[in-house]
Amino acid sequence: GNSVTQMEGPVTLSEEAFLTINCTYTATGYPSLFWYVQYPGEGLQLLLKATKADDKGSNKGFEATYRKETTSFHLEKGSVQVSDSAVYFCALSTSGTYKYIFGTGTRLKVLA
Amino acid sequence: GAVVSQHPSRVICKSGTSVKIECRSLDFQATTMFWYRQFPKQSLMLMATSNEGSKATYEQGVEKDKFLINHASLTLSTLTVTSAHPEDSSFYICSARPRRDLEETQYFGPGTRLLVL
Repeated sequence: GNSVTQMEGPVTLSEEAFLTINCTYTATGYPSLFWYVQYPGEGLQLLLKATKADDKGSNKGFEATYRKETTSFHLEKGSVQVSDSAVYFCALSTSGTYKYIFGTGTRLKVLA
Repeated sequence: GAVVSQHPSRVICKSGTSVKIECRSLDFQATTMFWYRQFPKQSLMLMATSNEGSKATYEQGVEKDKFLINHASLTLSTLTVTSAHPEDSSFYICSARPRRDLEETQYFGPGTRLLVL
């Protein structure tokens, strides 16, 4: 079946450090891929998305590239800030079902 | 654009009572709305999918008589937790898929924290 695997957290970084959160997926067909961010006590906010192979999603300094050959969608940011502290969820949606499958989430803590 | 609201944001109720949570898409029409449950420090678990004007589709293991879902219009879906018990305490999040979105993006509400005493 379809699934999403994220690296386990928590991830603790110093401000201005480089961030990578790994995400790999298993899916039939050609899924759309998403990164969502959840701040404490809040719902999920769409961070970025990619709908086909080699697409790069980007937003607020975050980037992720849809790699079909490695079935990955790793999230990166060149210089994190304290305000980036949150839980990040990778998700996929397979065409036609409109249902999301979420990864377990990765908690990021950025220290000043 | 693509704002989804939930009401209430937080509710405390006594065991045995019913609680209704509203999910509204404020600036778009939603063909489909989804209801999720999230336990502390865990991922989201899809409970059900609701389409406007039709019965909700529940995921395996979710009691449809316990969690009543109504999707009365293209901008409103409600989740009613009937005869709530302490084990129903959780964070409930809805999402909505825009009517014309061909990319399957879901927009999430801010969540409702339910505490059953």
